[in-house]
Amino acid sequence: GAGVSQTPSNKVTEKGKYVELRCDPISGHTALYWYRQSLGQGPEFLIYFQGTGAADDSGLPNDRFFAVRPEGSVSTLKIQRTERGDSAVYLCASSINGGSYNEQFFGPGTRLTVL
Amino acid sequence: GENVEQHPSTLSVQEGDSAVIKCTYSDSASNYFPWYKQELGKRPQLIIDIRSNVGEKKDQRIAVTLNKTAKHFSLHITETQPEDSAVYFCAATYYSSASKIIFGSGTRLSIRP
Repeated sequence: GAGVSQTPSNKVTEKGKYVELRCDPISGHTALYWYRQSLGQGPEFLIYFQGTGAADDSGLPNDRFFAVRPEGSVSTLKIQRTERGDSAVYLCASSINGGSYNEQFFGPGTRLTVL
Repeated sequence: GENVEQHPSTLSVQEGDSAVIKCTYSDSASNYFPWYKQELGKRPQLIIDIRSNVGEKKDQRIAVTLNKTAKHFSLHITETQPEDSAVYFCAATYYSSASKIIFGSGTRLSIRP
């Protein structure tokens, strides 16, 4: 079956602009996660959705970052007033129901570059 | 706080030799420890995991060990092959945060022919 997909694969924007990154989880997976991976680092947790609701948004760095999952499937990560420090690969993952022992399947990521 | 330390950051071994990567975690409530492999430009993929009620788990050439008392866990790869070259991440989920994964900073493993 299809895995987690993310669009776009690459996004270049200018400082101060607004960007949206999209994630399509594996069909039937109720849990969805966003991570940010900077060069040479491990993925850093941003937010976790269970269904339509954000169950844990403790990793969002500030109020410029926001994510939604209105129908419990596709999710969009939104970044306002982008800064150069936001440049990173943004990874999305999904798991079947969000249980601690459930494997998280990662998407290919969106590489965001803020000029 | 929630923290996972990983070392070494880089590791080079001769093909056929063993490789060991070590991690420590800070939260004694951690109950699940996955290991991910990430090839250059690719997505992280789970290669093995271990639960807190198990001390060791093996899958072909890969094994993980867990010492809950010391809050240490390790990845062992035996009979290394060129395709083992990648970045490996240890991670821990936290009971208090259910599904939140905290990753280590990664180990770049290179296999010398």
